[in-house]
Amino acid sequence: RKEVEQDPGPFNVPEGATVAFNCTYSNSASQSFFWYRQDCRKEPKLLMSVYSSGNEDGRFTAQLNRASQYISLLIRDSKLSDSATYLCVVNEGGADGLTFGKGTHLIIQP
Amino acid sequence: SQTIHQWPATLVQPVGSPLSLECTVEGTSNPNLYWYRQAAGRGLQLLFYSVGIGQISSEVPQNLSASRPQDRQFILSSKKLLLSDSGFYLCAWDRGFNTEAFFGQGTRLTVV
Repeated sequence: RKEVEQDPGPFNVPEGATVAFNCTYSNSASQSFFWYRQDCRKEPKLLMSVYSSGNEDGRFTAQLNRASQYISLLIRDSKLSDSATYLCVVNEGGADGLTFGKGTHLIIQP
Repeated sequence: SQTIHQWPATLVQPVGSPLSLECTVEGTSNPNLYWYRQAAGRGLQLLFYSVGIGQISSEVPQNLSASRPQDRQFILSSKKLLLSDSGFYLCAWDRGFNTEAFFGQGTRLTVV
């Protein structure tokens, strides 16, 4: 069975700090990767896609390491509003659809 | 733009009662549709997915069923709810391989 593994945390980080977490995936043939953010009692929302060349969106940087089969998310200058659960997602479409990690809980402290 | 609607937002049902949750997508055609459940403090569990009208695949054996009577409509049902059916139910859609998925707002079901 294809799996996506994440450190559940919680990561307690002071405001303004940089935080990074990884996600490993088991299927070496996986093609597309995403990070989602889920606030308490809300639906997951797409944060960013993860491309082979890596991508950056403001304070957020996502990278893919195919050789080691992991993706990472880096958050710089963390804000209180970044507190949430971050879900790593692999999409293989069709019968496999979306495979979710269980999420990493991030708490930004003032 | 595409939108996904899911209702109701919250539901309290007695054990043994039936269930019907509905999800509709607007602004796209022939989406892949998914039902997930998230139990308290746990990850998302895929329940059903559909690649087209009348095509339903089940990931987990249980007392739930799903139907797709129209291209952009996905329904989750049960004839008799169990206490263990309590959870946060999420509908999602995507365009297929290599595409991101979008979620409805979820239904928080409590079986009492």
